[in-house]
Amino acid sequence: IQVTQSPSSLSASVGDRIIISCRASQRISTYLNWYQQKSGRAPKLLIYAASTLKGGVPLRFSASGSGTDFTLTINSLQPEDFATYYCQQSYSQPYTFGQGTKLEIK
Amino acid sequence: QVQLVESGGGLVKPGTSLRLSCAASGFTFSDYYMTWVRQAPGKGLEWVSYISSVDGTTAYADSVKGRFTISRDDVNNSLYLQMNDLRAEDTAVYYCARDDSRAVAAYDFWGQGILVTVSS
Repeated sequence: IQVTQSPSSLSASVGDRIIISCRASQRISTYLNWYQQKSGRAPKLLIYAASTLKGGVPLRFSASGSGTDFTLTINSLQPEDFATYYCQQSYSQPYTFGQGTKLEIK
Repeated sequence: QVQLVESGGGLVKPGTSLRLSCAASGFTFSDYYMTWVRQAPGKGLEWVSYISSVDGTTAYADSVKGRFTISRDDVNNSLYLQMNDLRAEDTAVYYCARDDSRAVAAYDFWGQGILVTVSS
């Protein structure tokens, strides 16, 4: 299963709302996870099962979708949110990741 | 607290072998599926392999199948990745990760990563 994110990169300002999209090459129900990775650090799980926020993740993060189309939304961007975001399908092996979306400060 | 610490990386020549280890603490290791994910320099994440906590079932990415072997030692709370016939394209930071028990293949804790460089 191929997973395609868009955009590949995004410039935004503190306080903005941004949306990242993820599309799977076949239907995957809600088997979709989102991760945040900061430079030189391990990824962090933000959201699993398409829309369930992991405990401790700020409520400005939300996600939705099912089937083939998914979105990650970050409301009111904070300085610590500038990072690379990956989606990952967990429907079937190999559990492929999207290519990543780099979120940069405008 | 949950900790995963990888070791065993380094610079090796093509065609040689390397064994990565991941020491787990802060949770009941034997209850969790475990996974290896890698990231080539400047690139995205690539799922490599997983091992079940129930029956030892394993799975591999096509890119490593037949060359890499994942294993676990539930007595010593350790995860391993035996990598044989290494290639330049295996150069990456390798992360061990714990599968979140609430969701399929969602990785809720990660190690800091260990660099493997394959070069002549």
